[in-house]
Amino acid sequence: EAGVAQSPRYKIIEKRQSVAFWCNPISGHATLYWYQQILGQGPKLLIQFQNNGVVDDSQLPKDRFSAERLKGVDSTLKIQPAKLEDSAVYLCASSFDRYTGELFFGEGSRLTVL
Amino acid sequence: SQQGEEDPQALSIQEGENATMNCSYKTSINNLQWYRQNSGRGLVHLILIRSNEREKHSGRLRVTLDTSKKSSSLLITASRAADTASYFCADTSGGSYIPTFGRGTSLIVHP
Repeated sequence: EAGVAQSPRYKIIEKRQSVAFWCNPISGHATLYWYQQILGQGPKLLIQFQNNGVVDDSQLPKDRFSAERLKGVDSTLKIQPAKLEDSAVYLCASSFDRYTGELFFGEGSRLTVL
Repeated sequence: SQQGEEDPQALSIQEGENATMNCSYKTSINNLQWYRQNSGRGLVHLILIRSNEREKHSGRLRVTLDTSKKSSSLLITASRAADTASYFCADTSGGSYIPTFGRGTSLIVHP
């Protein structure tokens, strides 16, 4: 079974530029999550999708971050404009549904903002 | 949102020794999960324990849950160098079931 795919793995941009990350979850998984992990910290939820609908985006900085999950499969996370404090690893995870508990994570996309 | 907090932040042991990590949380939970993260990689699910369970085993892993103390522990027995990683607990509570992660414990196992 293929795992969660993310790209790009690494991205370096200057502040005020924009960046987009892509995630393809495990086939059949209805729930998709984007987490932000700053160095030395645990993952922090940015947004949760159930199929193509948003369940929770309360911690998403909506003035600069946006995310979508078209057709309930792939998802993109965009940052525009980026700030220095956005330097982090962006982790995508999926689960069979919201209640089964076990999350499957991708390898992450490491963003460096200069 | 509540967040599990792991203790200790860092742990260094010799191969063959046992490693114990603790996690505390703030309010009642649906379940509590443990994940491992190797350096530069994504998180891997290890074990899930529900609020009505007290202990679970998986291979060399043993997880306990004490709801009266709002705490959980992860025991890795007979540790190996390959167990070197960061370990995170994540709790889910209320109706959201969204795993909320702690800061993690960094485990180093010396060969």
